[in-house]
Amino acid sequence: ETGVTQSPTHLIKTRGQQVTLRCSSQSGHNTVSWYQQALGQGPQFIFQYYREEENGRGNFPPRFSGLQFPNYSSELNVNALELDDSALYLCASSPAVAPPYNEQFFGPGTRLTVL
Amino acid sequence: AQKVTQAQTEISVVEKEDVTLDCVYETRDTTYYLFWYKQPPSGELVFLIRRNSFDEQNEISGRYSWNFQKSTSSFNFTITASQVVDSAVYFCALSGHSNTGNQFYFGTGTSLTVIP
Repeated sequence: ETGVTQSPTHLIKTRGQQVTLRCSSQSGHNTVSWYQQALGQGPQFIFQYYREEENGRGNFPPRFSGLQFPNYSSELNVNALELDDSALYLCASSPAVAPPYNEQFFGPGTRLTVL
Repeated sequence: AQKVTQAQTEISVVEKEDVTLDCVYETRDTTYYLFWYKQPPSGELVFLIRRNSFDEQNEISGRYSWNFQKSTSSFNFTITASQVVDSAVYFCALSGHSNTGNQFYFGTGTSLTVIP
């Protein structure tokens, strides 16, 4: 069984640019959540997708957007990057039962650095 | 407001000592779930346990045990006979459903160092 995978592993961008991060959910999982984890902090919930629809959103501005595809993989897009967007971005998938009641299985993350 | 507080920022113990990690949560939901995750230096979060708000039965799993008390809004985690491999950051998390959809809240984590 393949776990959650994310790409790329590391990324360096400059302020004002746009970035797309990708996530493949674990087999059989139809729910994907994205988190931002700043250094020394806990993960902050960005949003969740359930069967291709946004199913919850944290306190992040609209320049953070996402997509979920029919195969349940997902993208996180961030426009107009700011220095504070530098963080580890984690993707998590949950089994095919209604969230938020399930444990989430996390990928290894994408480390984004904004210069 | 929904919130998870882990007051212990860092804990160091000597190998084979027992250690308890504290978690206090706030929520207005009547149905919610609590989780513990472990984040080793590699960075990947590892699921340890889930408890729902209706299940206050405490559990022991090997060297791990959990103490869930709704009366004090606490969900503490204990490692018995700690080992060096237990060194990691441990996160407590709360999930629930609000009018804006599902929400997940993590605490700021407790960094555990087990000294050989």
